[in-house]
Amino acid sequence: EDKVVQSPLSLVVHEGDTVTLNCSYEVTNFRSLLWYKQEKKAPTFLFMLTSSGIEKKSGRLSSILDKKELFSILNITATQTGDSAVYLCAGRGGKSSGDKLTFGTGTRLAVRP
Amino acid sequence: DAGVIQSPRHEVTEMGQEVTLRCKPISGHDYLFWYRQTMMRGLELLIYFNNNVPIDDSGMPEDRFSAKMPNASFSTLKIQPSEPRDSAVYFCASSPGLAGAQTQYFGPGTRLLVL
Repeated sequence: EDKVVQSPLSLVVHEGDTVTLNCSYEVTNFRSLLWYKQEKKAPTFLFMLTSSGIEKKSGRLSSILDKKELFSILNITATQTGDSAVYLCAGRGGKSSGDKLTFGTGTRLAVRP
Repeated sequence: DAGVIQSPRHEVTEMGQEVTLRCKPISGHDYLFWYRQTMMRGLELLIYFNNNVPIDDSGMPEDRFSAKMPNASFSTLKIQPSEPRDSAVYFCASSPGLAGAQTQYFGPGTRLLVL
């Protein structure tokens, strides 16, 4: 059974801090890893990672994948209160597994002013 | 584009009643997914369709749950009879397909409370 584990479960930081969120995965016919941000509504897409060692960056957020060790990290620098959310990691199976995403339970990030 | 549309946004019902959740995917997307999210179990895939055909329903909890996709622009998830443990947020998502798939786009969700 496919499994995605995220850590920490929750995190409280102050504005300006840098945070690192972790995601490990065991996904059959692994194809890609995705990060989502979920506030009080539906998840919104952040990154999709397919290749090891190539950092994806969007503003203060960045992410990297290690396919050998089966994990990914999401970094947020200079955090702001608007970054407060649940961050979800999902592993996507390959063609023989359809387009299934297996989600972790998320990391709940709270950024205090 | 309006994005993925779900209805109703909130549903409160009594145990034993039938519940029907509706989803309209983004036009042109070949894949449609139904998820359930709870505090205890996080986001779980229930079933997904490719070109209106159910591909994998291994996540459907039990026979009380059923899903249909009669055409490319509409899908339903039905719970009959509903139970309090079905209380959750149900998300529908669509994606443009394997060849060009970059991500799944989620609808706003239906918050279901079964009393």
